[in-house]
Amino acid sequence: QVQLVQSGGEVKPPGASVNVSCKASGYSFSTHGISWVRQAPGQGLEWMGWINTYNGNTNYAQKFQGRVLMTADTPTATAYMELRSLRSDDTAIYYCARGYDPLDYWGRGALVTVSS
Amino acid sequence: EIVLTQSPASLSLSPGERATLSCRASQTLSNYLAWYQQRPGQPPRLLIYDISKRATDVPARFTGSRSGTDFTLTISSLEPEDFAVYYCQQRTNWPLRCSFGQGTRLEIK
Repeated sequence: QVQLVQSGGEVKPPGASVNVSCKASGYSFSTHGISWVRQAPGQGLEWMGWINTYNGNTNYAQKFQGRVLMTADTPTATAYMELRSLRSDDTAIYYCARGYDPLDYWGRGALVTVSS
Repeated sequence: EIVLTQSPASLSLSPGERATLSCRASQTLSNYLAWYQQRPGQPPRLLIYDISKRATDVPARFTGSRSGTDFTLTISSLEPEDFAVYYCQQRTNWPLRCSFGQGTRLEIK
């Protein structure tokens, strides 16, 4: 069965970077891209971007351009999302999900807390 | 940028009742819109894609429909496990962008 297993929660100080991983199994990693979606406490869903896991091409939401980097490692079927220059309003659960049209399987999320 | 506006923000109904959730797009979309259900402490779950297709294992009481730029998720007879938050989602192809509505909270009356 399709599974997306994410790394654990992290606490980071303002200005730092965070790297969240998402290990896929149960399907061919290169045939479906990975989206990243975040959810601030008590808030709705916010799409951050998508990586084509076949060729590494990325599409980022304009809000995150220049601050986010999405990569994928095909041999280990793992996608990564790095967010830099963290601010307090980046505190959120970060989800990876398969695809974008639709996002049909989701990881359980990684809570990133930005606090000094 | 396409904006999705969901209404109502919250809905209070009893088990067995019919629920109608709306999602309005700011401009005409292609034949793509999806709906997700999110229960407390869980990731979102895909319910409906391509406007009206049910995802795997989604009960038949969930249906999606469209009228112009208005999209509707209907739950024909509410079960206790249906009380959750629901989000609609769209995507544009060039450039590739996705966005979600702000959500509708379905509460037990």
